[in-house]
Amino acid sequence: DGGITQSPKYLFRKEGQNVTLSCEQNLNHDAMYWYRQDPGQGLRLIYYSQIVNDFQKGDIAEGYSVSREKKESFPLTVTSAQKNPTAFYLCASSILGHSTDTQYFGPGTRLTVL
Amino acid sequence: DAKTTQPPSMDCAEGRAANLPCNHSTISGNEYVYWYRQIHSQGPQYIIHGLKNNETNEMASLIITEDRKSSTLILPHATLRDTAVYYCIVRSRLEYGNKLVFGAGTILRVKS
Repeated sequence: DGGITQSPKYLFRKEGQNVTLSCEQNLNHDAMYWYRQDPGQGLRLIYYSQIVNDFQKGDIAEGYSVSREKKESFPLTVTSAQKNPTAFYLCASSILGHSTDTQYFGPGTRLTVL
Repeated sequence: DAKTTQPPSMDCAEGRAANLPCNHSTISGNEYVYWYRQIHSQGPQYIIHGLKNNETNEMASLIITEDRKSSTLILPHATLRDTAVYYCIVRSRLEYGNKLVFGAGTILRVKS
């Protein structure tokens, strides 16, 4: 089946630790995105990438880092510099990065900082 | 970015049509209206999108007013599994890529 997978579904982290969230897609999409969702809130864009080896900051990139070494993979690292990392993290992809392209989402990773 | 306004919640009887309104009075001419929904603790699911004309697919219909300042998502025969938060979004184009700006959405409760 084609789709977007995120792992793990739940993640617990101690304060001061970096953690990496996985996102993989087999849709052959060029563009990938990371969003953050807080309880009762909409989505906020963290980073996005339109092509391999290139990515751009979104609205809330501070404390996060990404890489795009392969077309199908776009891992997100939540660093210790992120002051309030507990949230639901969503990865998405689209054929290209155009405004008319539909974004499809993965199931999400819920990160809790202990 | 054009902003959207949706009612915070709506109820619908199972088997009846669910009509979810959205206001986007500041939408510009080349911006599309998209609808997504999110079931609790899952990733958002794409439903439908449109520019000017009404659109229909296997999930729903989208009715956009002639002045494009508002739209209505119609689920023709709502089921309990349609209970979710529905987001009306206007697509904005960045210099490089694009983003979805999600508001608070409408909580649709389908009741038996």
